[in-house]
Amino acid sequence: DTAVSQTPKYLVTQMGNDKSIKCEQNLGHDTMYWYKQDSKKFLKIMFSYNNKELIINETVPNRFSPKSPDKAHLNLHINSLELGDSAVYFCASSRKWRADYEQYFGPGTRLTVT
Amino acid sequence: AQKITQTQPGMFVQEKEAVTLDCTYDTSDPSYGLFWYKQPSSGEMIFLIYQGSYDQQNATEGRYSLNFQKARKSANLVISASQLGDSAMYFCAMREFNTGNQFYFGTGTSLTVIP
Repeated sequence: DTAVSQTPKYLVTQMGNDKSIKCEQNLGHDTMYWYKQDSKKFLKIMFSYNNKELIINETVPNRFSPKSPDKAHLNLHINSLELGDSAVYFCASSRKWRADYEQYFGPGTRLTVT
Repeated sequence: AQKITQTQPGMFVQEKEAVTLDCTYDTSDPSYGLFWYKQPSSGEMIFLIYQGSYDQQNATEGRYSLNFQKARKSANLVISASQLGDSAMYFCAMREFNTGNQFYFGTGTSLTVIP
């Protein structure tokens, strides 16, 4: 059973479109995250939810909106896609919000905006 | 200032040899955690090892060990007896307990194991 799953794995879309990426974890973790990995492999946190509450909201365009319907799910909706949004987006979860818990990552979603 | 610095963009090691991947960090928070992750070419991120700032001993996990030098603010990853499957990107990361619990990643080191 996949611990952290993301759908879709690949997403190719045109500028201006709206798209969503879904994430689910079956680990019973309290905390979930979204990361963006750019073409140079740099990973940057975007959002974090703890028990469905938004905890980290980094400086990302407000075209990006996370939604956590329950503890096991954290979806990412992106409006008006731009070329610069092309990246790999990783969802992750950790048992608790505490700093000493490692994160388990999903397989990533490669978003290509044309 | 960069929170996590990995100065080796690429490293090569002979199979069965040991290799050290460097990581230095910057924080004024006395409580923090240091992590290493592996990202193979398939793309997934795999947790390897964790070191807490108050841990007295260096963390070890199988062939992975973390050379933690607190005064120098360094947390180097040592991989012993390298295997071909160790070829991957390796990321050092830090999380500060008291300062928003942010997660900071380094830019990564690409390790290639040569047969």
